[in-house]
Amino acid sequence: NAGVTQTPKFQVLKTGQSMTLQCAQDMNHNSMYWYRQDPGMGLRLIYYSASEGTTDKGEVPNGYNVSRLNKREFSLRLESAAPSQTSVYFCASKRQGSFTDTQYFGPGTRLTVL
Amino acid sequence: AQSVTQLGSHVSVSEGALVLLRCNYSSSVPPYLFWYVQYPNQGLQLLLKYTSAATLVKGINGFEAEFKKSETSFHLTKPSAHMSDAAEYFCAVSDLGADGLTFGKGTHLIIQP
Repeated sequence: NAGVTQTPKFQVLKTGQSMTLQCAQDMNHNSMYWYRQDPGMGLRLIYYSASEGTTDKGEVPNGYNVSRLNKREFSLRLESAAPSQTSVYFCASKRQGSFTDTQYFGPGTRLTVL
Repeated sequence: AQSVTQLGSHVSVSEGALVLLRCNYSSSVPPYLFWYVQYPNQGLQLLLKYTSAATLVKGINGFEAEFKKSETSFHLTKPSAHMSDAAEYFCAVSDLGADGLTFGKGTHLIIQP
């Protein structure tokens, strides 16, 4: 069981470039999440998908789009990267929509936008 | 909306000393609370969670936390710190509106030899 995997691990972009962050889980979880982590800010929810075929905005969705490709995969796209999107991005998954279920996190993608 | 406050962005303790990391929550309904640990350059790992079954919750690596409704607190403790406990610790609450977690800003735990 690999758990939650993310690619790439590191990425450097120039302002205005686009890219897609990939996330996959092999735990047969229904819910998946994208967070960003900034120094002194904790983690903030960007988007989430409660089940295959559905996506919803979190606290900081501006500048991002997501796709729940299938039950396993949930991608995050930056259409036109900005320096303010320099951050560490974490994908997470959870078995179902219960508020008490544990979220399992991937290792993160460190993104720098110049 | 739910929120959590972690007092102290950095906490330093000596090896073998008590670890106390503070978390206070703000919620209009009974909260579901979590403590996660993040080791350098890694993802987050669950330490423990409160789901209203018991107010004293035991987690991995010797950590425990006590839910105190009267104090709106969920502080994390460990009786004796070990060098391997050096990490970033996050308190989080289930966001009942957005089906995600709302995190505190984190506390960096430093262990002095």
